[in-house]
Amino acid sequence: EAGVAQSPRYKIIEKRQSVAFWCNPISGHATLYWYQQILGQGPKLLIQFQNNGVVDDSQLPKDRFSAERLKGVDSTLKIQPAKLEDSAVYLCASSLDRRNEQFFGPGTRLTVL
Amino acid sequence: DQQVKQNSPSLSVQEGRISILNCDYTNSMFDYFLWYKKYPAEGPTFLISISSIKDKNEDGRFTVFLNKSAKHLSLHIVPSQPGDSAVYFCAASDSGGGADGLTFGKGTHLIIQP
Repeated sequence: EAGVAQSPRYKIIEKRQSVAFWCNPISGHATLYWYQQILGQGPKLLIQFQNNGVVDDSQLPKDRFSAERLKGVDSTLKIQPAKLEDSAVYLCASSLDRRNEQFFGPGTRLTVL
Repeated sequence: DQQVKQNSPSLSVQEGRISILNCDYTNSMFDYFLWYKKYPAEGPTFLISISSIKDKNEDGRFTVFLNKSAKHLSLHIVPSQPGDSAVYFCAASDSGGGADGLTFGKGTHLIIQP
């Protein structure tokens, strides 16, 4: 079974630029999560989707971050404009359904200069 | 406010001995707890979980203990092997809440010495 795929794996941008990350969950998984992991911290949930609807985006900085999950499969997370403090690893996870084990992708490491 | 705390940033254990990783939580609504293992440049991998209705769960070399009154859980690895060297994250969730996102601790870097 293929795991959660994420791209790109690494991205370097300057502050105030825009960036987008892509996630392809495990086939058949209804629930998709985006987490932000700052160096030295544990992952922090940004947004949770159930199929193509948002379940929780209470910790998403909506003035600059946006996410969508078209057709309930792939998802993109966008930052516009980026700030220095957005430097982190962005992890995508999926689960078969709500309250099931979450499987994580390898993450995208973002560096904002 | 950190709701899940792992107070040991690192832990060094000899191969073959027992590794004990600790985790404390403050949110009394948490009722499901998990341990994830993470290697460099990879995403976290699920290791073992425990529901608040239990106080112990075993899976091979891994055992998780939950002490609800103390809001404390621990992961025991016996015997420790070189491949266990990784960062271990404790995570928790509130199944009665409206969402299912996990709240993670900062992680403990376990180093198994030969």
